[in-house]
Amino acid sequence: VQLVESGGGLVQPGKSLKLSCSASGFTFRNYGMHWIRQAPGKGLDWVAYISPSSGTVYADAVKGRFTISRDNAKNTLFLQLNSLKSEDTAIYYCARRDSVSPYNWFPYWGQGTLVTVSS
Amino acid sequence: DIQMTQSPASLSASLGETVTIECRVSEDIYNGLVWYQQKPGKSPQLLIYNVNSLHIGVPSRFSGSGSGTQYSLKINSLQSEDVASYFCQQYYDYPLTFGSGTKLEI
Repeated sequence: VQLVESGGGLVQPGKSLKLSCSASGFTFRNYGMHWIRQAPGKGLDWVAYISPSSGTVYADAVKGRFTISRDNAKNTLFLQLNSLKSEDTAIYYCARRDSVSPYNWFPYWGQGTLVTVSS
Repeated sequence: DIQMTQSPASLSASLGETVTIECRVSEDIYNGLVWYQQKPGKSPQLLIYNVNSLHIGVPSRFSGSGSGTQYSLKINSLQSEDVASYFCQQYYDYPLTFGSGTKLEI
Protein backbone atom coordinates (compact mmCIF):
# COMPACT_ATOMS: atom_id res chain seq x y z
CA VAL A 1 0.00 0.00 0.00
CA GLN A 2 1.31 3.39 -0.96
CA LEU A 3 -0.37 6.75 -0.46
CA VAL A 4 1.20 9.90 -1.87
CA GLU A 5 -0.29 13.33 -1.17
CA SER A 6 0.29 16.44 -3.25
CA GLY A 7 -1.14 19.87 -3.84
CA GLY A 8 -0.19 21.66 -0.66
CA GLY A 9 1.31 25.13 -0.57
CA LEU A 10 0.98 28.71 0.61
CA VAL A 11 -2.45 30.22 0.12
CA GLN A 12 -4.12 33.43 1.29
CA PRO A 13 -7.04 33.40 3.72
CA GLY A 14 -10.35 33.00 1.94
CA LYS A 15 -8.79 31.28 -1.06
CA SER A 16 -9.03 27.67 -2.23
CA LEU A 17 -6.73 24.71 -2.72
CA LYS A 18 -7.20 21.14 -3.92
CA LEU A 19 -5.21 18.28 -2.43
CA SER A 20 -4.69 14.90 -4.07
CA CYS A 21 -3.74 11.51 -2.71
CA SER A 22 -2.52 8.97 -5.24
CA ALA A 23 -3.09 5.38 -4.08
CA SER A 24 -1.38 2.21 -5.22
CA GLY A 25 -0.80 -1.35 -4.10
CA PHE A 26 -4.44 -2.14 -3.39
CA THR A 27 -7.87 -2.07 -5.03
CA PHE A 28 -8.69 1.58 -4.35
CA ARG A 29 -12.39 1.36 -5.22
CA ASN A 30 -12.98 -1.19 -2.44
CA TYR A 31 -11.85 1.05 0.42
CA GLY A 32 -13.12 4.08 2.24
CA MET A 33 -10.50 6.80 2.62
CA HIS A 34 -9.82 9.51 5.19
CA TRP A 35 -8.11 12.87 5.45
CA ILE A 36 -6.46 13.72 8.76
CA ARG A 37 -4.52 16.89 9.51
CA GLN A 38 -1.92 18.04 11.98
CA ALA A 39 -1.19 21.68 12.72
CA PRO A 40 2.54 22.38 13.19
CA GLY A 41 3.68 21.00 16.53
CA LYS A 42 0.15 19.96 17.44
CA GLY A 43 -2.00 16.83 17.60
CA LEU A 44 -3.97 14.96 14.98
CA ASP A 45 -7.42 16.05 13.78
CA TRP A 46 -9.65 13.88 11.65
CA VAL A 47 -11.07 15.90 8.73
CA ALA A 48 -13.25 13.78 6.44
CA TYR A 49 -14.18 10.31 5.20
CA ILE A 50 -15.43 9.01 1.90
CA SER A 51 -16.87 5.53 1.49
CA PRO A 52 -16.27 3.25 -1.51
CA SER A 53 -19.65 4.41 -2.85
CA SER A 54 -18.74 8.09 -2.20
CA GLY A 55 -20.79 8.65 0.91
CA THR A 56 -19.11 11.35 3.02
CA VAL A 57 -18.67 12.43 6.63
CA TYR A 58 -16.99 15.66 7.77
CA ALA A 59 -15.63 17.18 10.92
CA ASP A 60 -17.70 20.15 12.07
CA ALA A 61 -14.71 22.48 11.68
CA VAL A 62 -14.60 21.94 7.91
CA LYS A 63 -18.21 21.13 7.06
CA GLY A 64 -19.46 23.37 4.27
CA ARG A 65 -15.93 24.52 3.35
CA PHE A 66 -14.12 21.28 2.45
CA THR A 67 -15.22 18.60 0.01
CA ILE A 68 -13.80 15.10 -0.12
CA SER A 69 -14.12 13.18 -3.38
CA ARG A 70 -12.55 10.30 -5.24
CA ASP A 71 -11.78 9.14 -8.77
CA ASN A 72 -11.71 5.36 -8.71
CA ALA A 73 -10.53 5.16 -12.32
CA LYS A 74 -7.43 7.15 -11.40
CA ASN A 75 -6.96 5.66 -7.92
CA THR A 76 -6.97 9.16 -6.50
CA LEU A 77 -8.53 10.78 -3.45
CA PHE A 78 -9.14 14.53 -3.32
CA LEU A 79 -9.81 17.22 -0.77
CA GLN A 80 -11.12 20.56 -2.00
CA LEU A 81 -10.39 23.27 0.56
CA ASN A 82 -12.43 26.46 0.19
CA SER A 83 -12.72 29.61 2.30
CA LEU A 84 -9.44 28.78 3.96
CA LYS A 85 -8.63 30.16 7.41
CA SER A 86 -5.35 30.48 9.24
CA GLU A 87 -6.42 27.67 11.55
CA ASP A 88 -6.49 25.31 8.54
CA THR A 89 -2.70 25.51 8.38
CA ALA A 90 -1.54 21.94 8.81
CA ILE A 91 0.03 18.89 7.27
CA TYR A 92 -2.76 16.97 5.56
CA TYR A 93 -2.50 13.19 5.50
CA CYS A 94 -4.60 10.68 3.62
CA ALA A 95 -5.09 7.39 5.42
CA ARG A 96 -6.65 3.97 4.87
CA ARG A 97 -7.98 1.41 7.30
CA ASP A 98 -6.74 -2.13 7.75
CA SER A 99 -7.48 -4.72 5.04
CA VAL A 100 -9.34 -7.08 7.36
CA SER A 101 -10.89 -5.00 10.11
CA PRO A 102 -13.85 -2.81 9.11
CA TYR A 103 -12.99 -0.26 11.77
CA ASN A 104 -11.52 3.17 11.27
CA TRP A 105 -7.98 2.84 12.51
CA PHE A 106 -5.05 3.45 10.27
CA PRO A 107 -2.07 1.25 9.51
CA TYR A 108 -1.58 3.16 6.24
CA TRP A 109 -0.71 6.85 6.01
CA GLY A 110 0.74 9.02 3.31
CA GLN A 111 3.73 11.27 3.92
CA GLY A 112 1.52 14.35 4.14
CA THR A 113 1.30 17.64 2.27
CA LEU A 114 1.69 21.00 4.02
CA VAL A 115 -0.97 23.66 3.63
CA THR A 116 -0.07 27.12 4.93
CA VAL A 117 -2.79 29.74 5.08
CA SER A 118 -1.30 33.19 5.42
CA SER A 119 -1.45 36.61 3.83
CA ASP B 1 -18.12 14.43 20.18
CA ILE B 2 -16.07 11.95 22.18
CA GLN B 3 -13.32 13.79 24.07
CA MET B 4 -9.90 12.19 24.56
CA THR B 5 -7.79 13.34 27.50
CA GLN B 6 -4.24 12.06 27.21
CA SER B 7 -1.60 12.34 29.92
CA PRO B 8 1.08 13.25 30.52
CA ALA B 9 1.75 15.80 27.79
CA SER B 10 5.46 15.11 28.06
CA LEU B 11 7.57 12.49 29.70
CA SER B 12 11.28 12.11 30.34
CA ALA B 13 12.66 8.72 31.26
CA SER B 14 15.90 6.78 31.18
CA LEU B 15 16.96 3.90 28.99
CA GLY B 16 15.62 0.62 30.32
CA GLU B 17 12.83 2.23 32.33
CA THR B 18 9.13 1.51 32.01
CA VAL B 19 6.65 4.27 31.22
CA THR B 20 2.86 4.44 31.01
CA ILE B 21 0.72 6.85 29.01
CA GLU B 22 -2.94 7.26 29.86
CA CYS B 23 -5.95 8.07 27.71
CA ARG B 24 -9.23 8.95 29.38
CA VAL B 25 -12.34 9.05 27.20
CA SER B 26 -15.50 11.09 27.81
CA GLU B 27 -17.79 8.10 27.27
CA ASP B 28 -17.58 4.35 26.91
CA ILE B 29 -16.00 3.47 23.54
CA TYR B 30 -16.26 -0.30 24.03
CA ASN B 31 -12.55 -0.89 23.45
CA GLY B 32 -12.52 1.04 20.19
CA LEU B 33 -9.06 2.51 20.78
CA VAL B 34 -5.70 2.45 19.08
CA TRP B 35 -2.26 3.93 19.74
CA TYR B 36 0.13 5.54 17.27
CA GLN B 37 3.78 6.51 17.44
CA GLN B 38 5.01 9.53 15.52
CA LYS B 39 8.68 10.37 15.13
CA PRO B 40 9.73 13.92 14.20
CA GLY B 41 9.05 14.74 10.58
CA LYS B 42 7.32 11.41 9.96
CA SER B 43 3.76 10.18 9.54
CA PRO B 44 2.07 8.44 12.48
CA GLN B 45 2.63 4.72 12.70
CA LEU B 46 0.15 2.27 14.17
CA LEU B 47 1.39 0.59 17.34
CA ILE B 48 -1.61 -1.09 18.95
CA TYR B 49 -5.20 -1.70 17.79
CA ASN B 50 -8.27 -2.99 19.61
CA VAL B 51 -6.77 -1.77 22.90
CA ASN B 52 -4.13 -4.48 23.24
CA SER B 53 -3.25 -6.06 19.87
CA LEU B 54 0.25 -5.33 18.61
CA HIS B 55 0.48 -4.23 14.99
CA ILE B 56 2.82 -6.18 12.76
CA GLY B 57 6.46 -5.51 13.51
CA VAL B 58 5.87 -3.63 16.77
CA PRO B 59 8.24 -4.79 19.53
CA SER B 60 6.70 -6.73 22.40
CA ARG B 61 7.92 -4.13 24.92
CA PHE B 62 4.85 -2.13 23.86
CA SER B 63 1.52 -3.14 25.37
CA GLY B 64 -1.94 -1.70 25.73
CA SER B 65 -4.70 -2.20 28.23
CA GLY B 66 -7.93 -0.71 29.48
CA SER B 67 -11.66 -0.74 28.99
CA GLY B 68 -14.66 1.54 29.14
CA THR B 69 -13.31 5.05 29.49
CA GLN B 70 -9.75 4.41 30.68
CA TYR B 71 -6.92 3.10 28.51
CA SER B 72 -3.15 3.00 28.74
CA LEU B 73 -0.04 2.35 26.71
CA LYS B 74 2.94 0.82 28.48
CA ILE B 75 6.47 0.77 27.17
CA ASN B 76 8.88 -1.57 28.93
CA SER B 77 12.68 -1.39 28.76
CA LEU B 78 12.82 1.98 26.99
CA GLN B 79 15.11 2.15 23.98
CA SER B 80 16.57 5.22 22.30
CA GLU B 81 14.41 4.59 19.24
CA ASP B 82 11.27 5.06 21.35
CA VAL B 83 11.82 8.84 21.38
CA ALA B 84 8.61 10.02 19.71
CA SER B 85 5.16 11.39 20.31
CA TYR B 86 2.37 8.97 21.11
CA PHE B 87 -1.32 9.47 20.34
CA CYS B 88 -4.46 7.54 21.22
CA GLN B 89 -7.46 7.50 18.86
CA GLN B 90 -11.04 6.33 19.31
CA TYR B 91 -12.81 4.76 16.38
CA TYR B 92 -16.08 3.96 18.13
CA ASP B 93 -17.92 6.88 16.59
CA TYR B 94 -17.62 9.85 14.25
CA PRO B 95 -16.03 12.26 14.45
CA LEU B 96 -12.93 10.17 15.01
CA THR B 97 -10.93 11.84 17.76
CA PHE B 98 -7.36 11.73 18.95
CA GLY B 99 -5.63 12.40 22.22
CA SER B 100 -3.48 15.52 22.36
CA GLY B 101 -0.31 13.46 22.42
CA THR B 102 2.54 12.57 24.74
CA LYS B 103 6.08 13.56 23.85
CA LEU B 104 8.55 11.00 25.16
CA GLU B 105 12.17 11.94 25.72
CA ILE B 106 14.96 9.68 26.86
